Amino acid sequence: EPEVTQTPSHQVTQMGQEVILRCVPISNHLYFYWYRQILGQKVEFLVSFYNNEISEKSEIFDDQFSVERPDGSNFTLKIRSTKLEDSAMYFCASMIGGADTQYFGPGTRLTVL
Amino acid sequence: GQSLEQPSEVTAVEGAIVQINCTYQTSGFYGLSWYQQHDGGAPTFLSYNALDGLEETGRFSSFLSRSDSYGYLLLQELQMKDSASYFCAVRDQDGGFKTIFGAGTRLFVKA
Repeated sequence: EPEVTQTPSHQVTQMGQEVILRCVPISNHLYFYWYRQILGQKVEFLVSFYNNEISEKSEIFDDQFSVERPDGSNFTLKIRSTKLEDSAMYFCASMIGGADTQYFGPGTRLTVL
Repeated sequence: GQSLEQPSEVTAVEGAIVQINCTYQTSGFYGLSWYQQHDGGAPTFLSYNALDGLEETGRFSSFLSRSDSYGYLLLQELQMKDSASYFCAVRDQDGGFKTIFGAGTRLFVKA
């Protein structure tokens, strides 16, 4: 069964460094998302992406964040200058459209030191 | 503001039935979804209601009342493997794509 994949599974970085989190959505899906989940807390929406552009973003998704779909398969989240509070699990999700089934990747655990 | 309320914790025994409620207050509404998340894992889609009524998928059912801004997830014939966190989520119609998650309900299934 097709699945969303994410790399790396765990990323450790120093505060102020740039990180790029990578996702490969399910191939025929049209809608892509990034979420984050701080340990023990709820899943928080960051951004949605459709038709090669951001369709909506949350207050969390400030100028330090950007997303890109550089080719037909990858979907990336970049954090330009990481802060301690960016430490969280970051999930990518994709959806084919219509019904609301979002398929989540396994996540990337980001640790900012 | 936008919010979803669900109980923080529920405990039940194997074989029992448990209901997890969710009330929502959002600026738009496109549908109510339920996700399961085991410790250390990713959220997994369980069920989706766009219209009022009950949707059944095996041991899991989900109900929606749009007039009451309320829904629930019903888990029957509980198994130990059902111990997990359950999140309700609303897709905000205003933006079309933004999905708001509740804080999650931790379900403990005891033998």
